[in-house]
Amino acid sequence: DSGVTQTPKHLITATGQRVTLRCSPRSGDLSVYWYQQSLDQGLQFLIQYYNGEERAKGNILERFSAQQFPDLHSELNLSSLELGDSALYFCASSVGGRGRVTGELFFGEGSRLTVL
Amino acid sequence: GENVEQHPSTLSVQEGDSAVIKCTYSDSASNYFPWYKQELGKRPQLIIDIRSNVGEKKDQRIAVTLNKTAKHFSLHITETQPEDSAVYFCAAGGGSQGNLIFGKGTKLSVKP
Repeated sequence: DSGVTQTPKHLITATGQRVTLRCSPRSGDLSVYWYQQSLDQGLQFLIQYYNGEERAKGNILERFSAQQFPDLHSELNLSSLELGDSALYFCASSVGGRGRVTGELFFGEGSRLTVL
Repeated sequence: GENVEQHPSTLSVQEGDSAVIKCTYSDSASNYFPWYKQELGKRPQLIIDIRSNVGEKKDQRIAVTLNKTAKHFSLHITETQPEDSAVYFCAAGGGSQGNLIFGKGTKLSVKP
């Protein structure tokens, strides 16, 4: 158990719909990262938050948005869903180091999104 | 931004042989280079990491080497076992963007 909690574990929805994925980081971790892993693909960096503020952005689609709340949990919102958005979405957390990666990222179990 | 290239994409070895996976990175400011192992259907987990002030690090059957000048680093697994079969990801971070960028992964198969 990494200490990072992601909900829901599985989600099936239709094209055009909107979903929200939730992540609770490890106790004390200030940085939260979101990654997308499509079938047989690597870990595509989406976005990073540090202590409530956006710290770094990857190739995140405009249809996707995220935020980190004062209690440090984070949500990833995916809207106008397309078939190609079907993937495993991982959240990871780390201590922070003022937003820079200085040590291990702890991954949650992921949220598997299927768009039909 | 940072870009990480990883080779090979698949690697098949006999049990007991060694396996080597190589990665290159583009951002000379990156100073943290971890390796993650992902078993089928599971989350990535850190197996070893190295920082830019160190050239080599070893942990039992696993070792990582870093060449800062050439901007490449490698994972070496000796005496491979079937349970080493997984996807291995290299990553680079701590650079100008502050995030962690992963390579595309290497699927390692160890045949008994």
